[in-house]
Amino acid sequence: AQSVTQLDSHVSVSEGTPVLLRCNYSSSYSPSLFWYVQHPNKGLQLLLKYTSAATLVKGINGFEAEFKKSETSFHLTKPSAHMSDAAEYFCVVSDSSQAGTALIFGKGTTLSVSS
Amino acid sequence: NAGVTQTPKFRILKIGQSMTLQCTQDMNHNYMYWYRQDPGMGLKLIYYSVGAGITDKGEVPNGYNVSRSTTEDFPLRLELAAPSQTSVYFCASRQGLAGGPTDTQYFGPGTRLTVL
Repeated sequence: AQSVTQLDSHVSVSEGTPVLLRCNYSSSYSPSLFWYVQHPNKGLQLLLKYTSAATLVKGINGFEAEFKKSETSFHLTKPSAHMSDAAEYFCVVSDSSQAGTALIFGKGTTLSVSS
Repeated sequence: NAGVTQTPKFRILKIGQSMTLQCTQDMNHNYMYWYRQDPGMGLKLIYYSVGAGITDKGEVPNGYNVSRSTTEDFPLRLELAAPSQTSVYFCASRQGLAGGPTDTQYFGPGTRLTVL
C-alpha cells in the first residue's frame, strides 16, 4: 500500500528565510507525488508534481521539491519565505493500485511565516 | 472554464436529516472524486467515479451514496446525517489520460457541513 508521512505538523519561519517541509513516502513501485497547498478556508491548489521526468521539480510561487528514491523522500523547499506562503501544505501520492487512482494525503504541515 | 464547482458552501443539518452535496465540472473529465477533510487531517476518499454510470467506494464510504448520470455531475448524498459527518467535503476531477497517476486532480472550493 502506498502512503506518505509528513514529518512536521507545524513549521515556523521568518520572512525571507528558507522553507523546508519534509515528506517521506512508501510505495511498492515508482510513485507519482504531489504537493498541494491550502490557504485558510480555501480549496486545494497544486504546487507541483513529480512525474519521473526529472528528480528536481519546480512549482509555482518559487517552490520546488526533489525526489530522492534512495531516501524515499520528496521534501518541499523555497529559498525565501513570504508572508503569503502561510498555509497548510499536503504531500500526496497517487494510488495506482485502485482503478480510480485516487490521491492519498499526508496529514499536512502548517507553515507559519513571521515578519 | 469554471473548473470544479460545489454547492452549497456551508450547511448546518440536524441529526437524521438528509441532503445532497452538488459537484459539477466543466472540463469534460472522466474521473471524479469525493473527499472529506477532518480537522488536523489530510483528505480521505469517500467515493469515486471513472465515468458516467460507474462509481466505487473509497476509504470511508459508510453513510454516503453517490451517482454519476452525466460526465459533468457527481452528487454526494447523505441519507441520515450524524455528528460524525461534520467535516469539509471536497469534490475533485481529473482527465484520466493514459498518463494515469500523473494527471492533476482539480479541486472544488469545498462544502463545510455541520451536523448538530
